[in-house]
Amino acid sequence: DTAVSQTPKYLVTQMGNDKSIKCEQNLGHDTMYWYKQDSKKFLKIMFSYNNKELIINETVPNRFSPKSPDKAHLNLHINSLELGDSAVYFCASSQEVPGAHPTDTQYFGPGTRLTVL
Amino acid sequence: SQQGEEDPQALSIQEGENATMNCSYKTSINNLQWYRQNSGRGLVHLILIRSNEREKHSGRLRVTLDTSKKSSSLLITASRAADTASYFCATGTMNTGFQKLVFGTGTRLLVSP
Repeated sequence: DTAVSQTPKYLVTQMGNDKSIKCEQNLGHDTMYWYKQDSKKFLKIMFSYNNKELIINETVPNRFSPKSPDKAHLNLHINSLELGDSAVYFCASSQEVPGAHPTDTQYFGPGTRLTVL
Repeated sequence: SQQGEEDPQALSIQEGENATMNCSYKTSINNLQWYRQNSGRGLVHLILIRSNEREKHSGRLRVTLDTSKKSSSLLITASRAADTASYFCATGTMNTGFQKLVFGTGTRLLVSP
């Protein structure tokens, strides 16, 4: 009955490969996020989707392409992986009401540790 | 750009002592949240304080917010070994009608038995 789940938990791959990370939430939330946590534990938002629509897109290389087939899933596809992509990627979800007072917290998945060799 | 700066970067205390972590930020916010991350795990929400609030309590946690100084503090009273984790502040701002969280650098707390 995990609230926010990610697969895989660990991903080791070679430079230049293409890989995907999947995220699913069973909380009924409308909004989902992808964050990147680097080796210094700095956590930065990459993307956010609300009801399958992109609402936040930080300056992320276009090798990263999020896809939301439905509001319970937000997958992250990465093309042509580079050494600097090595990090822990976290998915999160929250219940947002557009324009309403933002009081809702975010629920995080367990993370996917990506290592690019 | 990074929003939150936390200090100290690391804190080591004994069980039973209080732990205080500070967070400073740069722009106007709607709310400020504190999250906890155990080693190798995801973040867990601890407490949220709105920009019009000054203090909030939840169990052994006490959070203060000073919007004039753009700073917040998290106090954990009577710490336990199980409180050992990294603690992050996150500022909530509106972005195209939706909330965006920007996380601080985190404080690593070690509570020794």
